[in-house]
Amino acid sequence: DTAVSQTPKYLVTQMGNDKSIKCEQNLGHDTMYWYKQDSKKFLKIMFSYNNKELIINETVPNRFSPKSPDKAHLNLHINSLELGDSAVYFCASSQPGAGGEQYFGPGTRLTVT
Amino acid sequence: GDSVTQMEGPVTLSEEAFLTINCTYTATGYPSLFWYVQYPGEGLQLLLKATKADDKGSNKGFEATYRKETTSFHLEKGSVQVSDSAVYFCALSDGGGGADGLTFGKGTHLIIQP
Repeated sequence: DTAVSQTPKYLVTQMGNDKSIKCEQNLGHDTMYWYKQDSKKFLKIMFSYNNKELIINETVPNRFSPKSPDKAHLNLHINSLELGDSAVYFCASSQPGAGGEQYFGPGTRLTVT
Repeated sequence: GDSVTQMEGPVTLSEEAFLTINCTYTATGYPSLFWYVQYPGEGLQLLLKATKADDKGSNKGFEATYRKETTSFHLEKGSVQVSDSAVYFCALSDGGGGADGLTFGKGTHLIIQP
């Protein structure tokens, strides 16, 4: 069984469009995250949600909006896509108090043309 | 703020060579330390972790020891294989196991040649 899953795996779209990436975890974890990996492989936290509440919101344009319908899901909506949004987006989850380790999804490669 | 510094590579080794990937960190508290591995086209997998000073994490022949005095968490393996070719990330969590995100190093691309 897949622990953290994301859809779609690949997403190609044009500038100005609005798109969503979905994430689901079946680990029973209370906390979920979104990370962005740029073309040089650098990973940076974007958002953290604990039990459906926003905990971390790093310096991310407000075109990016996470939505958590329940603690097993954390979706990422991106409005008015720009070329610089092209990256791989990873969802992750963890259980607070378990030593901080996080479990990552397979990633979504977003290409904005 | 927190930061992680690791050698970026690429690091190219022959099969069965000894591997060391250096990692040092800066943190305000007492972080947990991790090594993650990313194989081509895949997500990140936890390789090993250590949660307190002098702890040694180990998995699949890889080891790393949490050295508080040198703020380091170097990754080692005695004999690498072609299948170890991947990008390795050192990371820390400074949140006491809470909801903080991980702070990652820039990743080290490891290439093992037969």
